[in-house]
Amino acid sequence: KAGVTQTPRYLIKTRGQQVTLSCSPISGHRSVSWYQQTPGQGLQFLFEYFSETQRNKGNFPGRFSGRQFSNSRSEMNVSTLELGDSALYLCASSPWAGSQETQYFGPGTRLLVL
Amino acid sequence: GIQVEQSPPDLILQEGANSTLRCNFSDSVNNLQWFHQNPWGQLINLFYIPSGTKQNGRLSATTVATERYSLLYISSSQTTDSGVYFCAVERRNFGNEKLTFGTGTRLTIIP
Repeated sequence: KAGVTQTPRYLIKTRGQQVTLSCSPISGHRSVSWYQQTPGQGLQFLFEYFSETQRNKGNFPGRFSGRQFSNSRSEMNVSTLELGDSALYLCASSPWAGSQETQYFGPGTRLLVL
Repeated sequence: GIQVEQSPPDLILQEGANSTLRCNFSDSVNNLQWFHQNPWGQLINLFYIPSGTKQNGRLSATTVATERYSLLYISSSQTTDSGVYFCAVERRNFGNEKLTFGTGTRLTIIP
């Protein structure tokens, strides 16, 4: 099976712009979670989608949003970019939602905000 | 929320040495995973181990859930083992589950 894929792999934006990142889960997986990794804050949970519904959300401002499509692919959007949004954004998929599922991560999207 | 502490923060070893990485967590968990983050940033699953012991080649892991810690053992280290090792835990919380990561152990294997 193909692993989790994320596009684009690298992105440079300027402050105030918006960005959309895409994640395709492992075939058959229905849960997709997003994480932000920065040197200062480490790995932090953004949100989880299951069956096209946001199931859980971390402590991030409303500028961060996401959605999931019927084929389980997910997108996350960040509006009005700030310098502090520069980070590695990781997507993970699992067959189902819940705490007893192994999560498999994609290669990430590196976002640089200038 | 759950607190996750990993030690040591940094570890430098000669190739061939053995190492033990520790993960302490502050509450009971339903999910505990160990990951290796490679230099390109990808998190590679090593173990799903909320309790018990597992082995996979030169790597093994033990979680003592009642005492709230997990250990990752790497034997006969190779340079390709270098990278950051993360422990992540999750607690069943009726729809509010999320993986909480520790701050990682940076392992450097010197040839």
